Amino acid sequence: DVKVTQSSRYLVKRTGEKVFLECVQDMDHENMFWYRQDPGLGLRLIYFSYDVKMKEKGDIPEGYSVSREKKERFSLILESASTNQTSMYLCASSTSGQGGKLFFGSGTQLSVL
Amino acid sequence: QKEVEQNSGPLSVPEGAIASLNCTYSDRGSQSFFWYRQYSGKSPELIMSIYSNGDKEDGRFTAQLNKASQYVSLLIRDSQPSDSATYLCAVNWDDSSASKIIFGSGTRLSIRP
Repeated sequence: DVKVTQSSRYLVKRTGEKVFLECVQDMDHENMFWYRQDPGLGLRLIYFSYDVKMKEKGDIPEGYSVSREKKERFSLILESASTNQTSMYLCASSTSGQGGKLFFGSGTQLSVL
Repeated sequence: QKEVEQNSGPLSVPEGAIASLNCTYSDRGSQSFFWYRQYSGKSPELIMSIYSNGDKEDGRFTAQLNKASQYVSLLIRDSQPSDSATYLCAVNWDDSSASKIIFGSGTRLSIRP
């Protein structure tokens, strides 16, 4: 089974803190994604990576950055957390040529106070 | 602006009946289509994919695609209480890039005993 592991299930941070969300996949997938999910807004793509050290902005990249130093690991960074970044963050991976077949991690519910 | 539209529900269906979930999309050039199931508090999981016009069956699930009408649907036969979940429609409008996937905001399905 494909496994996508997110480091934290719940996280509470203060406004202005730097926040790191970690994601690891064990299936040697080329593509990795970070989404946020908010009620009524669905899943929105923050950043996407199709290879080590490669990244592409999604629909809502403002206030976020990413890092992919190894193929299996994709990190999302909130440089200075704000209350409007309170959300469920979902990491996903897929293999090349199977772009729409995403495997999701269990999610991190981030609350910024 | 490319969009994927779903009725948010809740859609209430008696146990044993057929549940019909619908999705429309705005980009006529969209190439691949997916249905994800998301249980409350869990992450989405892929249940069906469809790429050409017509029906695709997998067990109790049937995906239907009509590209001329820009319409994709999911039928669940012999609905079970375990089918109660939110169903997300996803459309990939450019198969050359895995990042070009747009999700609908989901339809909440409730199967009543």
